[in-house]
Amino acid sequence: TQLLEQSPQFLSIQEGENLTVYCNSSSVFSSLQWYRQEPGEGPVLLVTVVTGGEVKKLKRLTFQFGDARKDSSLHITAAQPGDTGLYLCAGAGSNYQLIWGAGTKLIIKP
Amino acid sequence: NAGVTQTPKFQVLKTGQSMTLQCAQDMNHNSMYWYRQDPGMGLRLIYYSASEGTTDKGEVPNGYNVSRLNKREFSLRLESAAPSQTSVYFCASSLRTSPNTGELFFGEGSRLTVL
Repeated sequence: TQLLEQSPQFLSIQEGENLTVYCNSSSVFSSLQWYRQEPGEGPVLLVTVVTGGEVKKLKRLTFQFGDARKDSSLHITAAQPGDTGLYLCAGAGSNYQLIWGAGTKLIIKP
Repeated sequence: NAGVTQTPKFQVLKTGQSMTLQCAQDMNHNSMYWYRQDPGMGLRLIYYSASEGTTDKGEVPNGYNVSRLNKREFSLRLESAAPSQTSVYFCASSLRTSPNTGELFFGEGSRLTVL
């Protein structure tokens, strides 16, 4: 069974601080997606990483796919209250399934 | 733009009652999905439809049935609700036909409580 473990499960920091969220597995994924979900809404795609070692930037958010395509990280620089939400990673696994992490709940305090 | 629309947004059922969650997308997407989201467990796929006329079981299909009514609509039915089915249900759609490729577009969710 393929699993994706996200850490930390919960993070509460002050505005302006930096943070990193991790998504780890023992399985290889052909691609990995990151979504953000706000309360009362569905997840919204932030980025898809496909190549091992790939780095993608989305304003203050930096996403990295591990060289072996088993792990990924999301780094936020100078976090803002608007970054608050649940961050989910999802890996493209075998049997045409998306394997979802349990999520990291992020709160940015003003 | 509506995107993916789910109804109802909230529902309370008694054990043994039945209900249908409705989902419609207006993006001309090929595939549609039903997920459930429970605290600490991420999203789990219940059923999906890769294209109009086809449906397949996901990770947790027991206790559910689905119908792909046409390209736009995909419904999820609980025939005899159980407290274990208390959850938030999300419908999603994608242009791609495979569940593990392409961007998923989600509805706002349907919060179901089974007493």
